[in-house]
Amino acid sequence: GESVGLHLPTLSVQEGDNSIINCAYSNSASDYFIWYKQESGKGPQFIIDIRSNMDKRQGQRVTVLLNKTVKHLSLQIAATQPGDSAVYFCAENGSGGGADGLTFGKGTHLIIQP
Amino acid sequence: AAGVIQSPRHLIKEKRETATLKCYPIPRHDTVYWYQQGPGQDPQFLISFYEKMQSDKGSIPDRFSAQQFSDYHSELNMSSLELGDSALYFCASSPRRGSTDTQYFGPGTRLTVL
Repeated sequence: GESVGLHLPTLSVQEGDNSIINCAYSNSASDYFIWYKQESGKGPQFIIDIRSNMDKRQGQRVTVLLNKTVKHLSLQIAATQPGDSAVYFCAENGSGGGADGLTFGKGTHLIIQP
Repeated sequence: AAGVIQSPRHLIKEKRETATLKCYPIPRHDTVYWYQQGPGQDPQFLISFYEKMQSDKGSIPDRFSAQQFSDYHSELNMSSLELGDSALYFCASSPRRGSTDTQYFGPGTRLTVL
């Protein structure tokens, strides 16, 4: 079936470096994408979202890029800090309208090295 | 800012018992969603409610049921519990019914079935 997935399960970066987390999706009808951060034992925390009519959106230290041609989504974190260590999930919400459930990718564990 | 409240935070049950999880959405949010997250897995959508009516249904087992009440809180009822039901259960809420509304997650209930 259609799903959202991630390329790498673990990403290790040096503190202060930039991080890029990738995500591929297969539902070409998806019109809304979200990145969540999840720390161990906690609920997913909203980071940033993007709608399908955009290809880039920036937040505080984070940027999300959307390439609809190849159905690819990425999250860029600038100047990575120890507090950024977590599992990052991309999720998509289809175009069916209503209170649709999110389809999550498999998650990337971001590890910050001092 | 007020967040989604879930209770209990931890629950231990025996096989074949029943469990009830509660979710209190963010004030003025009228849509709630339930997700199940197994160890090392991504969250899986179970079911959602808008204005006390079921809105979307995911991979919720027939042994589970849920409802939303007039004050918008929701309860997930789980019967004939199995070992495989051990997981984190998250509730999320959004401000209104719509496929592009951000879902905000609660801290989760950790269910352990022995």
